[in-house]
Amino acid sequence: GENVEQHPSTLSVQEGDSAVIKCTYSDSASNYFPWYKQELGKGPQLIIDIRSNVGEKKDQRIAVTLNKTAKHFSLHITETQPEDSAVYFCAASYRSSNTGKLIFGQGTTLQVKP
Amino acid sequence: NAGVTQTPKFQVLKTGQSMTLQCAQDMNHNSMYWYRQDPGMGLRLIYYSASEGTTDKGEVPNGYNVSRLNKREFSLRLESAAPSQTSVYFCASSLLGGFEANQPQHFGDGTRLSIL
Repeated sequence: GENVEQHPSTLSVQEGDSAVIKCTYSDSASNYFPWYKQELGKGPQLIIDIRSNVGEKKDQRIAVTLNKTAKHFSLHITETQPEDSAVYFCAASYRSSNTGKLIFGQGTTLQVKP
Repeated sequence: NAGVTQTPKFQVLKTGQSMTLQCAQDMNHNSMYWYRQDPGMGLRLIYYSASEGTTDKGEVPNGYNVSRLNKREFSLRLESAAPSQTSVYFCASSLLGGFEANQPQHFGDGTRLSIL
């Protein structure tokens, strides 16, 4: 079945450093890859997404890259700040009864130390 | 603009009790979803509604039922709660649910449910 593997499960960086989170997916038909940030006690919030016809997308300090051949995609956060500390989830779309659904990775807890 | 609103925020039940989790969105979205979140397992889809009047099973539907009351509201019911259903439940919505639509899902802040 469809599967998304996310690594690492925890990541600790110094403020100002970069952070990279990687995901691999199993369904070659997946065409949409969102990233969510979840703060304590809150629901996941979309921070960036990428579609399969694009290899890279940037939004200020956040970027996502997609390698369709290898079936993996990554989140890059530059110049990290303490407020970036949260749990990050990747997801990949899959088709079921012509409906697009998402399957999520297991999550990465990012800690940015001041 | 509230987005996706879930009620209640917290609930404690005894094994065998029933309850309904409520979800409403004010973004005029067509598709709605229920997920559960357990430690180390990400979010898993319980049920979804691609459009008003339709519902279908996700990855983990056993023990749950849903009702798409209208375009705004999508409820999740536990008929006979079990300790294995202790989890955080999230409702989400998206403008369109088709595979080619690639619409982002917007989440509520969750219901934290404990079953003793």
